[in-house]
Amino acid sequence: DAGVIQSPRHEVTEMGQEVTLRCKPISGHDYLFWYRQTMMRGLELLIYFNNNVPIDDSGMPEDRFSAKMPNASFSTLKIQPSEPRDSAVYFCASSLQGQNTEAFFGQGTRLTVV
Amino acid sequence: QKEVEQDPGPLSVPEGAIVSLNCTYSNSAFQYFMWYRQYSRKGPELLMYTYSSGNKEDGRFTAQVDKSSKYISLFIRDSQPSDSATYLCAMGSYSGAGSYQLTFGKGTKLSVIP
Repeated sequence: DAGVIQSPRHEVTEMGQEVTLRCKPISGHDYLFWYRQTMMRGLELLIYFNNNVPIDDSGMPEDRFSAKMPNASFSTLKIQPSEPRDSAVYFCASSLQGQNTEAFFGQGTRLTVV
Repeated sequence: QKEVEQDPGPLSVPEGAIVSLNCTYSNSAFQYFMWYRQYSRKGPELLMYTYSSGNKEDGRFTAQVDKSSKYISLFIRDSQPSDSATYLCAMGSYSGAGSYQLTFGKGTKLSVIP
């Protein structure tokens, strides 16, 4: 398996534009997570899905953020409209269901909003 | 008080030194403890995990957990330049199918100088 695949690797957009980040989890994994990483706040959990169902989105900062998982092999994180303070590295991760299982991270999408 | 506290460093040591990385936490419900390593411009990858108080050793790495003091450590013996990375502690609890909680520290940036 190629691991968790994220696209794009880098995204530069203007303030006010819509941004869509994509993730393909590892086949067979039950959980999918979206994280945001900044120097100031570290790695923050935004939302996670279990078997394609959103379980906890309390980490989503604002209504401008939305995430979907239409099937077991694909998820999107959308920001509309984007703002400069959304600039960060966004990671997708997946894991098997069960206690203490390892979360495998993608390479991340580095988002810059100018 | 944040749930997980980790000194961000940076920490710079000479090759061959013993490195000690530490985290403290406030949530008594945490059941398992992990250390992730993150190389520059990469996603975090699991290095070690443990459930119980005490030590767990894997090669040059030792993870130590003291639940009574709410304190965890990662020791690296005979440090190598290839160990230069950011190390993130993570801890979580599991309360049944579908649930998930994993909280990360902000990470400590380590540089091992040849």
